[in-house]
Amino acid sequence: GAGVSQSPRYKVAKRGQDVALRCDPISGHVSLFWYQQALGQGPEFLTYFQNEAQLDKSGLPSDRFFAERPEGSVSTLKIQRTQQEDSAVYLCASSSRQGGEQYFGPGTRLTVT
Amino acid sequence: QKEVEQDPGPLSVPEGAIVSLNCTYSNSAFQYFMWYRQYSRKGPELLMYTYSSGNKEDGRFTAQVDKSSKYISLFIRDSQPSDSATYLCAMRDGQNFVFGPGTRLSVLP
Repeated sequence: GAGVSQSPRYKVAKRGQDVALRCDPISGHVSLFWYQQALGQGPEFLTYFQNEAQLDKSGLPSDRFFAERPEGSVSTLKIQRTQQEDSAVYLCASSSRQGGEQYFGPGTRLTVT
Repeated sequence: QKEVEQDPGPLSVPEGAIVSLNCTYSNSAFQYFMWYRQYSRKGPELLMYTYSSGNKEDGRFTAQVDKSSKYISLFIRDSQPSDSATYLCAMRDGQNFVFGPGTRLSVLP
């Protein structure tokens, strides 16, 4: 497909479990963003990659959140020791150039019980 | 005060109406302004992307930016039931993207 894909689409985790969320950006897109979207809210910035370099991680809410993009393509957002407040939709977006238009994936809905 | 404010709605209009959606912001460094449409359980879809002040039209959609007032608008003409969704404004300063909370729109047939 030509768009941004994310997996899994839905994830239920027990409190304290680790989770890994995957993002496949549009082929050739150099910029990749992760956002967290709570119910009824707009997306909140988490972190940004330019190729494999993580240039901004100021939005990550705690050191339990970690993101990587080792080969400058697929990215993984990992959340350790999940808490109930981590329940949200996690959106990935990619862009063909720095500062260009962002194209979003469908998101992963994480529910922590 | 949040960086970007947007009336959450819900906003209900009859089919064929002109819809006006608005956002205000506080950061004068924002230079790029976007409108996204988000259907339930889907990711946001880019509708309009504008730079600085002025108008931009694309089909039934018109985006307006007034940087002096820190106010942006999206107008939808001849609204259709398929336009029912949440509309998010977003703004950018460098790589700093900030989204509004979204306005839920329902277009009633």
